[in-house]
Amino acid sequence: AQSVTQPDARVTVSEGASLQLRCKYSYFGTPYLFWYVQYPRQGLQLLLKYYPGDPVVQGVNGFEAEFSKSNSSFHLRKASVHWSDWAVYFCAVGNAGAKLTFGGGTRLTVRP
Amino acid sequence: GGIITQTPKFLIGQEGQKLTLKCQQNFNHDTMYWYRQDSGKGLRLIYYSITENDLQKGDLSEGYDASREKKSSFSLTVTSAQKNEMAVFLCASSMGDISAETLYFGSGTRLTVL
Repeated sequence: AQSVTQPDARVTVSEGASLQLRCKYSYFGTPYLFWYVQYPRQGLQLLLKYYPGDPVVQGVNGFEAEFSKSNSSFHLRKASVHWSDWAVYFCAVGNAGAKLTFGGGTRLTVRP
Repeated sequence: GGIITQTPKFLIGQEGQKLTLKCQQNFNHDTMYWYRQDSGKGLRLIYYSITENDLQKGDLSEGYDASREKKSSFSLTVTSAQKNEMAVFLCASSMGDISAETLYFGSGTRLTVL
């Protein structure tokens, strides 16, 4: 069965600092991978998605993620965090069916 | 662009009560989903529907019923609310029925059971 682990429930960074949010997945074969963001009192919005191909995927607002099959990882990165990035970030893995499996989320706090 | 509207935004119920949550989308998407969000546990799929009058169980369907009478709407019923239950229920839609599709989410219904 597929699964997603986000090992860091909470991350705090200073505004302007770089960011990495970790995601490890378990899946037999080559998965589809996603990062979604949830701003306060809102639903989730897509940041970026990976389909088999280039391992580095660019998303919105300067976010990018890198797929690693050998490490079963899909970490999210941003070079310089802005206060508006304060949110909860979810990694998800999908297969050929309709179901996505989500990780537990990482709550990002941005210090001024 | 489209929008997903969930009603009500806040729902307070009593233990044992049957409670219904509603979701409308104007994307003209085929597939709709109900997820439950608990703090620290991510999102868990309750039901999804790939077309009108279709229902597929997710990982958390026990204790819930769903209904898709129109393409644009998808409702979820908590058949017997559990005391001290507190969660956010998120409705989503996608164009197709494969998990490569982007999901579009509503802002959620926050349930509290007294």
